[in-house]
Amino acid sequence: GNSVTQMEGPVTLSEEAFLTINCTYTATGYPSLFWYVQYPGEGLQLLLKATKADDKGSNKGFEATYRKETTSFHLEKGSVQVSDSAVYFCALRGSGGGADGLTFGKGTHLIIQP
Amino acid sequence: DTEVTQTPKHLVMGMTNKKSLKCEQHMGHRAMYWYKQKAKKPPELMFVYSYEKLSINESVPSRFSPECPNSSLLNLHLHALQPEDSALYLCASSQPVGAADQETQYFGPGTRLLVL
Repeated sequence: GNSVTQMEGPVTLSEEAFLTINCTYTATGYPSLFWYVQYPGEGLQLLLKATKADDKGSNKGFEATYRKETTSFHLEKGSVQVSDSAVYFCALRGSGGGADGLTFGKGTHLIIQP
Repeated sequence: DTEVTQTPKHLVMGMTNKKSLKCEQHMGHRAMYWYKQKAKKPPELMFVYSYEKLSINESVPSRFSPECPNSSLLNLHLHALQPEDSALYLCASSQPVGAADQETQYFGPGTRLLVL
């Protein structure tokens, strides 16, 4: 079956530091890959996505590239802000067609200190 | 507009109560989902509706009963819940198969449920 592995943290960084959150996946075929962000007490917000190999998703300074050869979708940001503090989930949706649920990683709690 | 709304925001219920959670979207999405999220855990899929028909039930106990009365609404009826059912219940929706952006699920803010 499908699975997603990501570093759990917490990851603590200083403001303006470079961020990398690693995400690797196991899936058959060509899944779609996502990063969602969850702020305290809220639902999940789509941060970025990529639907095929070598696609780069980007939003709000965050980027991730779909690497099929390494089955990875690592999240990066060049300069983090205190407001980026949240839980980040890497997720995939299988390529089987039809409505299907997302498979999530365990989530990475990111703490940015001023 | 990519908004999914959920009501109520918070719910406290006893183990003998009957309550319902509601989810609504007006994006023309024809797939809708219920997820359960325990504290410090990722969301877990409960149910999937596709074109108003239940297509996936992830072996959820019968005390949870989903309903999709029309293409915009999704309900989750709760009865005789246990304290371990306390969690954040998230609704999501997506475009129908074959449409652009069909793979992306858009989430609502969730209902935080406490069972006493």
